[in-house]
Amino acid sequence: KAGVTQTPRYLIKTRGQQVTLSCSPISGHRSVSWYQQTPGQGLQFLFEYFSETQRNKGNFPGRFSGRQFSNSRSEMNVSTLELGDSALYLCASSLAAPSLPYEQYFGPGTRLTVT
Amino acid sequence: KNQVEQSPQSLIILEGKNCTLQCNYTVSPFSNLRWYKQDTGRGPVSLTIMTFSENTKSNGRYTATLDADTKQSSLHITASQLSDSASYICVVSGSGGSYIPTFGRGTSLIVHP
Repeated sequence: KAGVTQTPRYLIKTRGQQVTLSCSPISGHRSVSWYQQTPGQGLQFLFEYFSETQRNKGNFPGRFSGRQFSNSRSEMNVSTLELGDSALYLCASSLAAPSLPYEQYFGPGTRLTVT
Repeated sequence: KNQVEQSPQSLIILEGKNCTLQCNYTVSPFSNLRWYKQDTGRGPVSLTIMTFSENTKSNGRYTATLDADTKQSSLHITASQLSDSASYICVVSGSGGSYIPTFGRGTSLIVHP
């Protein structure tokens, strides 16, 4: 079974631009969660989607948004990029929400650098 | 405010030795606690998931314990190997309609030959 894939793996953007990251979950998984990882803050929860619906959102500004498609693939978008948005963005897929004791499988992440 | 505190922040041990990592949390109501291993530049890999009713769970040389009363968990690594060098992250999820997984800052483990 193929794992979670994320594209692109590396990205360099300029402050003020917007970016879209993509995540393809493991086949059969309907829950996709997004996380931001920085040296300063560690891992932080962005949002979680299940069956095309956003079910929970972390404490991030509205510049961070996402969506999930009918095939469970998910995208996240960051508008008006700031230097502080430089981070590793991870997505994870699961059969159910992280609040339930199901395995979460992480992708390799997208390394975003904002200059 | 939900918090997850891990200790120590970093740890250096010799190959073959055992070690124990700690995780204290204040998340309530509690749903589950996960331990992840993250190699540099890669996504985390799940080691164990524990719910309220479980107090011990093993995965090979990794054994996690949970004391839901004191809100403490530990991850014990037996007979360490060089490949155990990584960051170990504790994550606690609450229950109910609105949850946000809360992450610890991780313990950086280095295993020397």
